[in-house]
Amino acid sequence: GDSVTQMEGPVTLSEEAFLTINCTYTATGYPSLFWYVQYPGEGLQLLLKATKADDKGSNKGFEATYRKETTSFHLEKGSVQVSDSAVYFCALTRRGAQKLVFGQGTRLTINP
Amino acid sequence: GAGVSQSPSNKVTEKGKDVELRCDPISGHTALYWYRQSLGQGLEFLIYFQGNSAPDKSGLPSDRFSAERTGGSVSTLTIQRTQQEDSAVYLCASSPDGAGGPLSYEQYFGPGTRLTVT
Repeated sequence: GDSVTQMEGPVTLSEEAFLTINCTYTATGYPSLFWYVQYPGEGLQLLLKATKADDKGSNKGFEATYRKETTSFHLEKGSVQVSDSAVYFCALTRRGAQKLVFGQGTRLTINP
Repeated sequence: GAGVSQSPSNKVTEKGKDVELRCDPISGHTALYWYRQSLGQGLEFLIYFQGNSAPDKSGLPSDRFSAERTGGSVSTLTIQRTQQEDSAVYLCASSPDGAGGPLSYEQYFGPGTRLTVT
């Protein structure tokens, strides 16, 4: 079945550091890929998405590129802020399947 | 506009009791989803509604779990004879179009109901 694997956390960085959170997937067909973020005490929010190969999703300084050849959708940000501290989930969905399949989540803490 | 709302926000129940969790999706959203977030299992899909019908119930973990949706809007997730392993945060999400169109890929999540079974 479909699955998503994220790099294990927790991840702790200093402010202004470069961030990469790895995400790889297994799915038949051509899934759409997402990053969701869960800030402390809040619900899940869509951060960015990409619906076909080579698409780049971006939002709030975060970027991720849909790489079909490596089945990856790594999340990057050039300069993180304390306010980026949250849990990040990589996810996929397939046309017709509707449900989101999530990775296990990566807790990110940014220290000032 | 109003987002997805869920009630109650917290529920503590005794093992063996039945519980009902409610979800109010964003107005006009045709698709509705239930997920469960637990420490051991991460985020798991439970059930998907398109309108009032549930074409995908594959994630319901046992026959103690059921859900319905009425009027294409509010949904209730019912857990009968609760067990301690049912303790989790139950998340509801809605989407403007669950039929595979481009808008169907964005799901908007509610704040969740934290269920604790003692």
